[in-house]
Amino acid sequence: NAGVTQTPKFQVLKTGQSMTLQCAQDMNHEYMSWYRQDPGMGLRLIHYSVGAGITDQGEVPNGYNVSRSTTEDFPLRLLSAAPSQTSVYFCASRNTGGETQYFGPGTRLLVL
Amino acid sequence: DAKTTQPTSMDCAEGRAANLPCNHSTISGNEYVYWYRQIHSQGPQYIIHGLKNNETNEMASLIITEDRKSSTLILPHATLRDTAVYYCIKNAGGTSYGKLTFGQGTILTVHP
Repeated sequence: NAGVTQTPKFQVLKTGQSMTLQCAQDMNHEYMSWYRQDPGMGLRLIHYSVGAGITDQGEVPNGYNVSRSTTEDFPLRLLSAAPSQTSVYFCASRNTGGETQYFGPGTRLLVL
Repeated sequence: DAKTTQPTSMDCAEGRAANLPCNHSTISGNEYVYWYRQIHSQGPQYIIHGLKNNETNEMASLIITEDRKSSTLILPHATLRDTAVYYCIKNAGGTSYGKLTFGQGTILTVHP
């Protein structure tokens, strides 16, 4: 199993540009989440999903959209990038009843 | 819903036990205590979790006080590779487990 994979690893955007951060897992996990981590801070939840077709907002959802059309994929879309969205983005997944949440390696995003 | 409280940083000598405290005085009866760690800028890694009984696995031990208002993570023989940020998180599990709330954690530095 590859676990949780994220692409790209690094990205530089200009203010106002849009992009999609990709997240995929091959463990058939129902639950998937997106977090962002700013320098020196803990992770903050952006959006999460409890299964295909079901998503909900987390602590800091503004400026981001998600969809979950398959169990495997949970892309995060930045609609119009802003410098405040400069951060490291982590995707995570876990199975129903599972005690371990698995995190991807992260995507480092710089918005100029 | 207050987050947990942890010391900002701790030091430990290699080979000695590292005892990381966590205060979660507002914990609800259905909330577990989870511990994760983050090495460098990698994605967080699950360590252990518990409800009210002490727990042990191959990585660590978790001691929860009888009133459940605080806990201690014990790394019995710390190595240099245990240098990381350690997060103590309270969460009710189930469908809410995809929504972890991270504080700033404890920076553990293991010295030779």
